[in-house]
Amino acid sequence: AQKITQTQPGMFVQEKEAVTLDCTYDTSDPSYGLFWYKQPSSGEMIFLIYQGSYDQQNATEGRYSLNFQKARKSANLVISASQLGDSAMYFCAMREGNYGGSQGNLIFGKGTKLSVKP
Amino acid sequence: DAGVIQSPRHEVTEMGQEVTLRCKPISGHDYLFWYRQTMMRGLELLIYFNNNVPIDDSGMPEDRFSAKMPNASFSTLKIQPSEPRDSAVYFCASSLHSQPQHFGDGTRLSIL
Repeated sequence: AQKITQTQPGMFVQEKEAVTLDCTYDTSDPSYGLFWYKQPSSGEMIFLIYQGSYDQQNATEGRYSLNFQKARKSANLVISASQLGDSAMYFCAMREGNYGGSQGNLIFGKGTKLSVKP
Repeated sequence: DAGVIQSPRHEVTEMGQEVTLRCKPISGHDYLFWYRQTMMRGLELLIYFNNNVPIDDSGMPEDRFSAKMPNASFSTLKIQPSEPRDSAVYFCASSLHSQPQHFGDGTRLSIL
């Protein structure tokens, strides 16, 4: 079974509108972290936002917010006021393990390709 | 601050040749990761180190792959002998404790 599922291979959004990229995860570990990364066409991987499994509030970083629904095991990324530069692949990832302790590795989803239309 | 530095950015070589990828993590980071990205398999972890010690190498495909971290500021990933199916983008990432991982720009490897 996949640990990270991103069901949207591709998404389109109009510039200046908000968009939600879906991510569901599967783990039996009570301690885990959820991450979103952006990969533009140039290829680099850019960290966007992080949510810990014990965090009480949803994470926010500028125009990025993470809609964390623990009971549903979902960690959707919301991008507000989309910009042309937001066009990229977006990867959801999970790290299992002791919170704040052992690092463990990231398990990545297949990614969602976001295209922002002018 | 300098990010994770990988070299070379691109490598094209013939099958059977030895390939060495290099990585300089962010200063002060105690974890270092090597990932491989392909269209078929996506991003997958190959190996990671903590304080220069390999912790999990279960993702290393086979004995042709080896990785070392002789000191806190340098790591190599070696493929010998290389095969066309090793063609991929190889990423190095580093982190401090449980903080988010920061990735290098990757090495695009093509084995002919």
